[in-house]
Amino acid sequence: GQNIDQPTEMTATEGAIVQINCTYQTSGFNGLFWYQQHAGEAPTFLSYNVLDGLEEKGRFSSFLSRSKGYSYLLLKELQMKDSASYLCAVLQNGFQKLVFGTGTRLLVSP
Amino acid sequence: EPEVTQTPSHQVTQMGQEVILRCVPISNHLYFYWYRQILGQKVEFLVSFYNNEISEKSEIFDDQFSVERPDGSNFTLKIRSTKLEDSAMYFCASSESTVSTDTQYFGPGTRLTVL
Repeated sequence: GQNIDQPTEMTATEGAIVQINCTYQTSGFNGLFWYQQHAGEAPTFLSYNVLDGLEEKGRFSSFLSRSKGYSYLLLKELQMKDSASYLCAVLQNGFQKLVFGTGTRLLVSP
Repeated sequence: EPEVTQTPSHQVTQMGQEVILRCVPISNHLYFYWYRQILGQKVEFLVSFYNNEISEKSEIFDDQFSVERPDGSNFTLKIRSTKLEDSAMYFCASSESTVSTDTQYFGPGTRLTVL
């Protein structure tokens, strides 16, 4: 079966750092993607990992451990506009489809 | 920056009616996808399309659904006889290839409401 787990909701304060975890069990793995989705809008690409380790992109970093089936998205210097859902998605090996988790709703407060 | 576009942004239809949702993928992209998201639920894969044929489809994509690339720019999703449970946000996406480093970029979505 396929299972992608993320916390449902997280809260953090403006300027802080937050880490959103994702664990996955999928039939095949060809990369893990993080998307941001504001309410009623399309998912917007943030980062991807295909090899183990940390990928950094400005205020956002993403980490992957394939042996543990684990990833996290790290958001630094949080801003109010970072309030959104963060979707973890696995690209299955040999397929073109992304399998999404249910998303983590992040609320950034002043 | 190039982007995926979708029309209409909202579509309201009666149960049993046919709807066509339209997408214009990014111009140099070769792979096209449809996903849907029922309100409050996760994004779900429907179908992928390459070289004028379906390359993969999910269990959701039954005989009521079809996709087409009628010309060099548009990519459409047709639902033949809509059901109440088809009410959802439908997202089109495209990617340059299927190499894992090639990101799928999503359009703004069409909100379909079936009454």
